[in-house]
Amino acid sequence: GENVEQHPSTLSVQEGDSAVIKCTYSDSASNYFPWYKQELGKRPQLIIDIRSNVGEKKDQRIAVTLNKTAKHFSLHITETQPEDSAVYFCAAGGGAGNQFYFGTGTSLTVIP
Amino acid sequence: GAVVSQHPSRVICKSGTSVKIECRSLDFQATTMFWYRQFPKQSLMLMATSNEGSKATYEQGVEKDKFLINHASLTLSTLTVTSAHPEDSSFYICSARDLGRTDTQYFGPGTRLTVL
Repeated sequence: GENVEQHPSTLSVQEGDSAVIKCTYSDSASNYFPWYKQELGKRPQLIIDIRSNVGEKKDQRIAVTLNKTAKHFSLHITETQPEDSAVYFCAAGGGAGNQFYFGTGTSLTVIP
Repeated sequence: GAVVSQHPSRVICKSGTSVKIECRSLDFQATTMFWYRQFPKQSLMLMATSNEGSKATYEQGVEKDKFLINHASLTLSTLTVTSAHPEDSSFYICSARDLGRTDTQYFGPGTRLTVL
């Protein structure tokens, strides 16, 4: 099955700085890579996603890059704000059953 | 759009009882729903894939006789934790795949289960 690794597990940045979270996956059949933001006690919210036929996607302060050959993808948040503080999960999926397999999560703290 | 509800949001039960959790897609049809389990400060662990009109597909290590899944309609899937024990206490979250957007999963708000 799919194995998704995520680093770092915790990340603290000053407000206004950038944050980068990296994930690797193992199953070459995975072709869809979403990123979710989860605040304490709440549901995961999709913030951006990328498909395997695209190398990079940007949405305002958030961008995701994908290197399918190396099987890794990254989330970039620029000009971070305190409200960006949350746990971020990457996931890989889109195979035959469309299951998602999640990374271990990154707890991001943006220091005002 | 793409709203998923889950009921109940919180349940406390005695050891040995069974608990049913409902997951509903409110404004779209979902032939496939997924059930996850999340321990505090940990990731979402996929338990099973729920397919409308057919048997659920369970991930390795998940007891299908303990975690009964029924997907009776295009908008409802239920997870029943049978003979619950304290180690079953966890945050259970469902997600539903929007037919109109084949890959995207939308999550319910989760159910906090505490087994005494």
